[in-house]
Amino acid sequence: NAGVTQTPKFRVLKTGQSMTLLCAQDMNHEYMYWYRQDPGMGLRLIHYSVGEGTTAKGEVPDGYNVSRLKKQNFLLGLESAAPSQTSVYFCASSYGRDLYEQYFGPGTRLTVT
Amino acid sequence: GESVGLHLPTLSVQEGDNSIINCAYSNSASDYFIWYKQESGKGPQFIIDIRSNMDKRQGQRVTVLLNKTVKHLSLQIAATQPGDSAVYFCAENRSGGFKTIFGAGTRLFVKA
Repeated sequence: NAGVTQTPKFRVLKTGQSMTLLCAQDMNHEYMYWYRQDPGMGLRLIHYSVGEGTTAKGEVPDGYNVSRLKKQNFLLGLESAAPSQTSVYFCASSYGRDLYEQYFGPGTRLTVT
Repeated sequence: GESVGLHLPTLSVQEGDNSIINCAYSNSASDYFIWYKQESGKGPQFIIDIRSNMDKRQGQRVTVLLNKTVKHLSLQIAATQPGDSAVYFCAENRSGGFKTIFGAGTRLFVKA
């Protein structure tokens, strides 16, 4: 199993540009999450999904949109990138919700200039 | 307010010594605690977890202790090895919710 994969690994955007980050998992997990990690801070939840076709806002959802059209994929979109969105983005998945470990992807390092 | 914090941002230990990484949490309603390890350039990786009805759990070279009285969590690593060098996060979950709260992390350096 590949586990959780993310594409791309690195990206540089100019302010105002848009992009989509792709997350895929092959563990048949119901729950998927998008986090951002900034220096000196823990992971902060952007959006999450409890199943195919469902999404919900997390702690810091502004400026991001998500979609879960297929169970194995969770997409994170930035419609108009801002420098404040410079961060490392991690996708994760879990079998169950609150009492199960999360499996993380390798991350996407995004720089917005 | 809700918080999961760490007492020390950086910990340096000699190879072969035991390491202790501490974490404080503020919400007594938390049910489930997890320790993650994050190596440079990688995503966090599950190490060990503990539920609120336990006060100790052991894994391979790792032990997690939970003190609900003072809302304190610790991760003990026995015979620390260079491969243990990483950032360690404690995380907190509450039953009925989807939100996992992560601490800021402690960076562990292992000196050869």
